Amino acid sequence: QLQLQESGPGLVKPSETLSLTCTVSGGSISSTTYYWGWIRQPPGKGLEWIATIYYSGDTYYNPSLKSRVTISVDTSKSQFSLRLNSVTAADTAVYYCAKFVSSGWTDAFDIWGQGTMVTVSS
Amino acid sequence: DIQLTQSPSFLSASVGDRVTITCRASQGISSYLAWYQQNPGKAPKLLISGASTLQSGVPSRFSGSGSGTEFTLTISSLQPEDFATYYCQQLNSNPYTFGQGTTLEIK
Repeated sequence: QLQLQESGPGLVKPSETLSLTCTVSGGSISSTTYYWGWIRQPPGKGLEWIATIYYSGDTYYNPSLKSRVTISVDTSKSQFSLRLNSVTAADTAVYYCAKFVSSGWTDAFDIWGQGTMVTVSS
Repeated sequence: DIQLTQSPSFLSASVGDRVTITCRASQGISSYLAWYQQNPGKAPKLLISGASTLQSGVPSRFSGSGSGTEFTLTISSLQPEDFATYYCQQLNSNPYTFGQGTTLEIK
C-alpha cells in the first residue's frame, strides 16, 4: 500500500528557506497516472494547495506562492521536495505531501502523508 | 481564482441524523469537485471525487451530488466517527482551491 512521509526541519527562521522532502513507499513515484503535491494548513485554519509535480518534472504552482516556491522530484530516491523561500510567520503551517490522481473529472488528492508542522520564528 | 463557499460553517447534529453540507463555486467547475474529511491532528481523507464518486472503503452513507456551481455532501445517518471537519476542493483550474470547511459537532 502506497504511503507518503514528510521530513524536514520543524523550525525555520524568518527570511530563510523552508525545505521539505516527501518519501514515497509501497508504490512507484514514476507512475504515469499519478502526480505529487504539497498542501499546507496554518494552525486552526483551512487548506491551501501549494504545488504539484509529475514524475517527468512538469510542475504546477499556486500563483500566490509561485515566486517563492520550487517543487522537484528525485525518482531514484522515490522522493519529491518543496522549497519555499523568504519565509515569514504567515508560512507557519502543517505541510502535507499527497498523491494526486488525474483521471478526468475525478481528479483528487487521494493519499496523504501525516503532515509535518513547520514554525517560522527567530 | 475560483472561490468555494461552504455552508454551514458549523453544524450540530446527533447520531442517526441526516445532514447535508453545501459547497458553492464562484464560477462553473463542471464536476471537478472533491470532498475530504479531516479529524483533529490528522491528514484529510478523500471521501468523494468527481462530485459524486465514492472512494473505495468509504461508507455508503456518504454521498455527493451537483455540477456547475452547486454541490452537496450528504451523510444519511450520522455515526460517531463522522464528527469531523469537511472540506470541498475544486480541481477545475489552477489554483486548486478549498472551501473554508464545515465542522460537524455532536449535539
